[in-house]
Amino acid sequence: EIVMTQTPLSLSVTPGQPASMSCKSSQSLLHSDGKTYFYWYLQKPGQSPQLLIYEVSRRFSGVPDRFSGSGSGTDFTLKISRVEAEDVGIYYCMQGINLPRTFGPGTKVDIK
Amino acid sequence: EVQLVESGGGLVQPGRSLRLSCTTYGFTFGDYAMSWVRQAPGKGLEWVGFIRSKAYGGTTEYAASVKGRFTISRDDSKSIAYLQMNSLKTEDTALYYCNREPAIWGQGTMVTVSS
Repeated sequence: EIVMTQTPLSLSVTPGQPASMSCKSSQSLLHSDGKTYFYWYLQKPGQSPQLLIYEVSRRFSGVPDRFSGSGSGTDFTLKISRVEAEDVGIYYCMQGINLPRTFGPGTKVDIK
Repeated sequence: EVQLVESGGGLVQPGRSLRLSCTTYGFTFGDYAMSWVRQAPGKGLEWVGFIRSKAYGGTTEYAASVKGRFTISRDDSKSIAYLQMNSLKTEDTALYYCNREPAIWGQGTMVTVSS
């Protein structure tokens, strides 16, 4: 089973300021097809998870361009260029290369 | 509009069974694998299992924590995925989400296992 770890576990951000969080996987998520099966989700309070980023750096439809993903292999980063109040919630990373799918423990983001 | 609607949750005693349904709308259900993910109160996301489309054999995979107790099935004629949960334990208490990887999630249905 691939273990996903996230840092930090919590983050308090001033609106308009940038934020960054990290996710590491215990194995490479690079598939032989050339794709890296790594995802970022945001779960806002009281809501289902919503996909932000897929395949490391591709923004899902409707996701604001202040969100960006980067990384490769086993190390990945999500950056928010200017945090807005609506960005509060828990950010989860997930690997999609192997079964069982595994999620990181989440990074909880709140507003100062 | 693509939509997943879970149903069937509720309060159940330890050792009993429950079947959850995921009714889907807005896409060709038979073309897609479907997953179940759960979230215990105040906890993170835990993948439960997965059923492939018929084109890929319709086979299933499960998390170790539920293997042998839970069964995922699908009815492509009704566009519904099911999660049959047997021998329920208190630690199965969670909000259960249906998921079409990677982007489509339902709103979840709550399962509480308690005496």
